[in-house]
Amino acid sequence: DGGITQSPKYLFRKEGQNVTLSCEQNLNHDAMYWYRQDPGQGLRLIYYSQIVNDFQKGDIAEGYSVSREKKESFPLTVTSAQKNPTAFYLCASSMGVAEFNEQFFGPGTRLTVL
Amino acid sequence: AQSVAQPEDQVNVAEGNPLTVKCTYSVSGNPYLFWYVQYPNRGLQFLLKYITGDNLVKGSYGFEAEFNKSQTSFHLKKPSALVSDSALYFCAVRSTVSGGYNKLIFGAGTRLAVHP
Repeated sequence: DGGITQSPKYLFRKEGQNVTLSCEQNLNHDAMYWYRQDPGQGLRLIYYSQIVNDFQKGDIAEGYSVSREKKESFPLTVTSAQKNPTAFYLCASSMGVAEFNEQFFGPGTRLTVL
Repeated sequence: AQSVAQPEDQVNVAEGNPLTVKCTYSVSGNPYLFWYVQYPNRGLQFLLKYITGDNLVKGSYGFEAEFNKSQTSFHLKKPSALVSDSALYFCAVRSTVSGGYNKLIFGAGTRLAVHP
């Protein structure tokens, strides 16, 4: 899982609560990403950030929010507006936005709504 | 629409036999292709990538992949499978209409089961 850490490993949320997932990288990468993984659907992009203090919506951003105040940190908040948040969440980073840069992934956070 | 297809949900192989995990893609322009592996409850690990040049790309853990432009395929291969290769494998292609950022389009994944 390289130099990317995610916490917590497991997270339980009650209906109506906001929760924040942590993602930290020590790879000195400029770009960071959040994905959601559901069984049989591959990975879907939630948000991405190419540089500090900048981030953009991905394909399924509704009900999520992010911040990028530091290069090494890209936390994801799952808000109560996300209707079906139970999933495995993966954070990734890459050296830059060049097309040949592979993305490195963290170990993931499994979120379950009770 | 840009996409990646992994036509097999699961591939079963006997240990010691060669394995192939199939991937086809649909993007405009030159494709940048990636393979990742995921073990249970873990993140994805990068295996290999095709950017340009030789159509046979060698990667980690003895895996290789063959790029075929005419068939728009990028199949993952290994000459001799190990039980420890059992995992979920994802093919991905870099989107060519992402406005400049490094957006990957992932296939749905193929579960590889290697039997002793």
